[in-house]
Amino acid sequence: NAGVTQTPKFQVLKTGQSMTLQCAQDMNHNSMYWYRQDPGMGLRLIYYSASEGTTDKGEVPNGYNVSRLNKREFSLRLESAAPSQTSVYFCASSAMRGTEAFFGQGTRLTVV
Amino acid sequence: KNEVEQSPQNLTAQEGEFITINCSYSVGISALHWLQQHPGGGIVSLFMLSSGKKKHGRLIATINIQEKHSSLHITASHPRDSAVYICAVRFRGNNFGNEKLTFGTGTRLTIIP
Repeated sequence: NAGVTQTPKFQVLKTGQSMTLQCAQDMNHNSMYWYRQDPGMGLRLIYYSASEGTTDKGEVPNGYNVSRLNKREFSLRLESAAPSQTSVYFCASSAMRGTEAFFGQGTRLTVV
Repeated sequence: KNEVEQSPQNLTAQEGEFITINCSYSVGISALHWLQQHPGGGIVSLFMLSSGKKKHGRLIATINIQEKHSSLHITASHPRDSAVYICAVRFRGNNFGNEKLTFGTGTRLTIIP
C-alpha cells in the first residue's frame, strides 16, 4: 500500500534555481495539501487542493506554485529558490475536508 | 488568534511507564488530530476525534470540548514509541474553507529501555 508518495526525499538547490516536488496518492482522495515544517514551528499550509482542478493558497504561499495535474497528483514548484525556503516539505491527502489526513514521507530541501 | 499549545515539549521516561501528552487550543474546533512523527521524518495519523475518547492498542486519546483540551496517553511505553507526537486542530469557521489544520510544535518523547 503506497499511500502518499513524495519525491525526491532530499534535495540541495542553489539560490535562484527552480525545482518541482512531486506528490502522488493512490487512495482516490479528493483533497491534497502541501505543508512546510520548520524547527520550533508547527507545520504550516502552503497550498491545498480541495478537488481535482482547484487549488487555493494556504498560510504561506509566497514563492511557491502548485498544479493539481489529476486526482492523484499534486506538485509544488519553487520558481526561484531562496534560503528561506530551506525546510522539510510534506504532502498530505484526505478523502474530503474534515477527514483523516495521510502524509507522505517528506522532502528535506536545503537552499544554499 | 487560533492557537494550539502542546506540553511538555520534551519527555523522557523509562520503558513501561504511563505517558501523557497534552494539547490545549484557543477556540472552538470541529476536529482534533494526533499525529506521530518518527525519527526518519514520516508522519502517521494516530487519531482524529471531535468528542469523547478513542483507543487503539496501547494508545488512548481523549478530548474535553468544554475545557478545550486533549490528551494522548501511552500505556506500557516501549522504546519504539520514541517519536515526536503532534496535535493538530481544525478550527470552526476558519479561513481556507475549513481545509486548514493548525499544528502544535510537537512533543518529543524518548523511552529509555
